[in-house]
Amino acid sequence: AQRVTQPEKLLSVFKGAPVELKCNYSYSGSPELFWYVQYSRQRLQLLLRHISRESIKGFTADLNKGETSFHLKKPFAQEEDSAMYYCALAPGGKLIFGQGTELSVKP
Amino acid sequence: DAGVIQSPRHEVTEMGQEVTLRCKPISGHNSLFWYRQTMMRGLELLIYFNNNVPIDDSGMPEDRFSAKMPNASFSTLKIQPSEPRDSAVYFCASSLGTRAGELFFGEGSRLTVL
Repeated sequence: AQRVTQPEKLLSVFKGAPVELKCNYSYSGSPELFWYVQYSRQRLQLLLRHISRESIKGFTADLNKGETSFHLKKPFAQEEDSAMYYCALAPGGKLIFGQGTELSVKP
Repeated sequence: DAGVIQSPRHEVTEMGQEVTLRCKPISGHNSLFWYRQTMMRGLELLIYFNNNVPIDDSGMPEDRFSAKMPNASFSTLKIQPSEPRDSAVYFCASSLGTRAGELFFGEGSRLTVL
């Protein structure tokens, strides 16, 4: 089965604290994984993809095939990081999303 | 480019009525996706098209839902008859290429069925 699981519906941290948004996937093939973000009153947009191994807005994500995970991390959270984050798996031509994690960064 | 355009942005209707949601993808994109977002289930893929052809409609809840893409610049998602449990935000997204990668989303259509 192709599935993406984000176990936390809400994650609340203080500004400057480290952040880790968890994502686990289930897929028998070679996975392509992404993180999407939806800021308040904005469209859902791509944050980063595992294949590019880049850091965007201070966020990184490492694919761990052994643990079938693709957790999103940032060492020091900022208030502007508050948003809804979705992990997504691309089995072929479609994109399957997890249920999303709302990140709230408090001052 | 204005991006993916969806209409209406908000729709309130009564149970049993027909609902039609519309989407204009980004010019030049050849894949189009319809998603439904609810608190309980997050973002669910309903159907996606490639070059105007439906490729995977396994996420369409039931026969009350239908989607069409008559040309490269227009798609509709129709619910007939609508039910209260269909209340959700419906998103349309488009992308370039046959492999899903960066999807560009519309602002969504918020549907409320009373």
